[in-house]
Amino acid sequence: EAGVAQSPRYKIIEKRQSVAFWCNPISGHATLYWYQQILGQGPKLLIQFQNNGVVDDSQLPKDRFSAERLKGVDSTLKIQPAKLEDSAVYLCASSTERSSYNEQFFGPGTRLTVL
Amino acid sequence: GESVGLHLPTLSVQEGDNSIINCAYSNSASDYFIWYKQESGKGPQFIIDIRSNMDKRQGQRVTVLLNKTVKHLSLQIAATQPGDSAVYFCAENVSFKAAGNKLTFGGGTRVLVKP
Repeated sequence: EAGVAQSPRYKIIEKRQSVAFWCNPISGHATLYWYQQILGQGPKLLIQFQNNGVVDDSQLPKDRFSAERLKGVDSTLKIQPAKLEDSAVYLCASSTERSSYNEQFFGPGTRLTVL
Repeated sequence: GESVGLHLPTLSVQEGDNSIINCAYSNSASDYFIWYKQESGKGPQFIIDIRSNMDKRQGQRVTVLLNKTVKHLSLQIAATQPGDSAVYFCAENVSFKAAGNKLTFGGGTRVLVKP
């Protein structure tokens, strides 16, 4: 079974520039998550989708971050404009359903460096 | 490879010895507790989980203990191997009827296995 795919793996941008990350979850997984992992810390949930609807975006900095999952499969996370403190690894995860606990499978992440 | 975290608590263990990693959690409403392993440049990988109504669960070479009285979770790795070198995170899951599941990660512990 193929895992969660993410691209790009690495991205370096200057502050105030824009950046987008892409995620393809495991086939058949209805729930998709984006996490931010700052160096030395555990992942922090940014947004959760159930199919193409947002379930929880309470920790997403909506003034600069946006995410979409238009067809209920792939998802993109965008930052515009980026700040220095956005330097982190952005992880995508997916699971089979949201109504009860199910194991989340994580992708390899995209490491973002903002200069 | 890149380091997951540069300033994490570190546990150094001799190959073949047992490892014990500890974690404190905060939310009494958490229904599952999960341990993840994260190697450099990779996303977190599921190790084992335990439901909140249990106090012990065993897997292959791993045991998780849950003490709800003091809100403490531990992961025991038997006969630690070089491949066990990684950062280990505990996470607590809270299930919401309308908002799905939310994972909150702890700060992580780096395990270094000495040959």
